[in-house]
Amino acid sequence: DVKVTQSSRYLVKRTGEKVFLECVQDMDHENMFWYRQDPGLGLRLIYFSYDVKMKEKGDIPEGYSVSREKKERFSLILESASTNQTSMYLCASSDPGGPLTDTQYFGPGTRLTVL
Amino acid sequence: GESVGLHLPTLSVQEGDNSIINCAYSNSASDYFIWYKQESGKGPQFIIDIRSNMDKRQGQRVTVLLNKTVKHLSLQIAATQPGDSAVYFCAENKGAGSARQLTFGSGTQLTVLP
Repeated sequence: DVKVTQSSRYLVKRTGEKVFLECVQDMDHENMFWYRQDPGLGLRLIYFSYDVKMKEKGDIPEGYSVSREKKERFSLILESASTNQTSMYLCASSDPGGPLTDTQYFGPGTRLTVL
Repeated sequence: GESVGLHLPTLSVQEGDNSIINCAYSNSASDYFIWYKQESGKGPQFIIDIRSNMDKRQGQRVTVLLNKTVKHLSLQIAATQPGDSAVYFCAENKGAGSARQLTFGSGTQLTVLP
């Protein structure tokens, strides 16, 4: 089974802090994604990566950056956290070369609260 | 713009009844659709998918129907059980090659009544 893990389930930070959210997948997937999930808005794509050191902006990249130094790990960085970044953050991965090309597998999520 | 929406934000069904969750999409070029289930406090889990060259696909107790004419997708759950209570999302693909992504709807909360 695909396993996607996220470093924290719950995180509380203060405004202006730098925040790192880590995601690791164990299935050698090429693609990795970061979403945020807010009530009534569904999942919105922040950034994704289709290869090591490659990244692409999603729909809402402002205020975020990402890092992918190794294939299995994809980090989301909030350079200076703000209260409007309080949200559930979900990481996902997919295998574009596999039979289920577009199927994304999700981690358990990190609920971030910025005070 | 592209959007994937749902007709109802909530749905309540009696245990043992069948459930139908609907989804509308707007991108005619989408060729792949997927349903996810998200239980409280967990990440979304894959349920079933369907490609645009099909109009029906069945899994274990679940069936997905695709009507490309009206750009409508539905998820049918047979003999709904308490463990089926969750938020259900539909998603459609966009993009090309290795940069393919999914666009998600906002979700329907399914509640199974005893």
